Amino acid sequence: QSALTQPPSASGSLGQSVTISCAGTSTDFGGYSYVSWYQQYPGKAPKLIIYEVNKRPSGVPDRFSGSKSGSSASLTVSGLQAEDEADYYCISYAGSNYYVFGTGTKVTVL
Amino acid sequence: QVQLQESGPGLVKPSETLSLTCTVSGGSISSYYWGWIRQPPGKGLEWIAYTHFGGSVNYNPSLESRATISADTSKNQVDLKLTSVTPADTAIYYCARLGGFTFPDWGQGTLVTVSS
Repeated sequence: QSALTQPPSASGSLGQSVTISCAGTSTDFGGYSYVSWYQQYPGKAPKLIIYEVNKRPSGVPDRFSGSKSGSSASLTVSGLQAEDEADYYCISYAGSNYYVFGTGTKVTVL
Repeated sequence: QVQLQESGPGLVKPSETLSLTCTVSGGSISSYYWGWIRQPPGKGLEWIAYTHFGGSVNYNPSLESRATISADTSKNQVDLKLTSVTPADTAIYYCARLGGFTFPDWGQGTLVTVSS
């Protein structure tokens, strides 16, 4: 199975919103709602910011939100802040004990 | 919250076997599933495998023929072996806890370079 498709880059101004897509096939998402999103700073390990499509772990600001429709999922960062500039990856449980990552999106805060 | 620490050789020769260890602290590995994920320099993430101490193992089909993951409850460690490595296996290798169909906890990662 191929990686989920994300735009290589996305940008938004301070205080604005940016939405990142994560596209695959129905097989990639396996009909499940097990899509997660990770934030990664250069030289650091990824950090979980969204799980089960739209749930936030403790400590993650509510500026981060997720959604899923059909064979695509999205991450929206509202009220962009300078510290949101990072790489973002989606991952989905595709069934049959298989996971697939997205290609990654670099978010730039203008 | 558990802490994970990867360790192993930073340099491996082509055709040899890459061996990494993930040491878990702050919790027993028998309580969770554990996985390995890698990231080539400047590129995206790739799931390699995950396991449970009870013996359940699952591999990314693209690496299944070369990868072996195992859990050692006596040492609270999770090991990864990757055979017949090539420069394409050069990457940062992360150990992570699998829970709720996601990976909530990650180690800091260890860079492995495949080069002669």
